[in-house]
Amino acid sequence: DAKTTQPTSMDCAEGRAANLPCNHSTISGNEYVYWYRQIHSQGPQYIIHGLKNNETNEMASLIITEDRKSSTLILPHATLRDTAVYYCYFNFGNEKLTFGTGTRLTIIP
Amino acid sequence: EAGVTQFPSHSVIEKGQTVTLRCDPISGHDNLYWYRRVMGKEIKFLLHFVKESKQDESGMPNNRFLAERTGGTYSTLKVQPAELEDSGVYFCASSQLVGRSTEAFFGQGTRLTVV
Repeated sequence: DAKTTQPTSMDCAEGRAANLPCNHSTISGNEYVYWYRQIHSQGPQYIIHGLKNNETNEMASLIITEDRKSSTLILPHATLRDTAVYYCYFNFGNEKLTFGTGTRLTIIP
Repeated sequence: EAGVTQFPSHSVIEKGQTVTLRCDPISGHDNLYWYRRVMGKEIKFLLHFVKESKQDESGMPNNRFLAERTGGTYSTLKVQPAELEDSGVYFCASSQLVGRSTEAFFGQGTRLTVV
């Protein structure tokens, strides 16, 4: 299974940018980086994915290093509703998702 | 457009009984996945359908679990006979087959409690 490393937990003040790091040093050139999150006991929710270039959508931005061995998910203006466990993984697409332990992000009022 | 729907949302059964979970994917999604989260553990992959075919069932814990997807539409996951360790939340996800980098949409899960 694809192996990623994420901090166990992080805090971020409401309204500030939340920056969540992920190491994926064994990623190959054709594998995508994906980010999902799980809010409380709901079903996991897709956030964003990317291959080489930085990506941005209505939820977040994804910054991938030039060597592709790590990435950072940025929530530009964190709200209390962003409190969740965030998962990073990589694969070739159309494959199973591999959830590790993720990062438990807590947004502080 | 309806999302991924799972039924039932909760199920409490006795050890030894049979339970069938159902997942209705988003219309047109050929990929269908089952996952499970046991209390305190990570979300684990169970199996992957492409249309009606099992693409990967490497995560199925044992032969008490049977998944089907007749006709390539909805899927069922049967546990027979259920054991205490089968308790957990079962998630279903679907995605489009076209293209390589597609996002998966998850249902809200079925919380199974075996007593």
